[in-house]
Amino acid sequence: GQNIDQPTEMTATEGAIVQINCTYQTSGFNGLFWYQQHAGEAPTFLSYNVLDGLEEKGRFSSFLSRSKGYSYLLLKELQMKDSASYLCAKDSNYQLIWGAGTKLIIKP
Amino acid sequence: DAGVTQSPTHLIKTRGQQVTLRCSPISGHKSVSWYQQVLGQGPQFIFQYYEKEERGRGNFPDRFSARQFPNYSSELNVNALLLGDSALYLCASSRTSGGYYNEQFFGPGTRLTVL
Repeated sequence: GQNIDQPTEMTATEGAIVQINCTYQTSGFNGLFWYQQHAGEAPTFLSYNVLDGLEEKGRFSSFLSRSKGYSYLLLKELQMKDSASYLCAKDSNYQLIWGAGTKLIIKP
Repeated sequence: DAGVTQSPTHLIKTRGQQVTLRCSPISGHKSVSWYQQVLGQGPQFIFQYYEKEERGRGNFPDRFSARQFPNYSSELNVNALLLGDSALYLCASSRTSGGYYNEQFFGPGTRLTVL
């Protein structure tokens, strides 16, 4: 199958750190995307990992382990505007295979 | 520079009708992908076109078809609409087709409601 699994919903506090996990089947893997999607809007690009390890980009970092079929998105210094759905997607042979998204709720 | 544009923004149709959705990619992008997103779910891949050729097709019935024009714009057609076709239809463009880094830039989507 092509299941991409991520938690349905997470809650965190403003100013804190949250880690959103994503697991995927390793076959046909070219890379792993993370996108942010606010309600009613189109997804916007956050990160793309091809090699193992952590890539940091400001308050957001993304980690990949290809052998384990595992990635996570780390959000630091959470702000209220970070309330959104976060989708991971596997880049696989001319298509992106998407998880259902993790709805992140930020509380003051 | 203009981003990905889609038209129309919203559309209401009845069961059995046909619909055509349009997408213009970012200038210089040669690949267009179409996705269906039902509320609360991630996007589902429908088609990818690159250089006017179909490069990939998702698990959708033959009622769904698409094409890409010489200027790289694209149309998605859905025939014999069903209630279950109600969704947000997203178009995404990228410089290349899949296999390597192909960051996709999304348009605002077309919200299709089938009554």
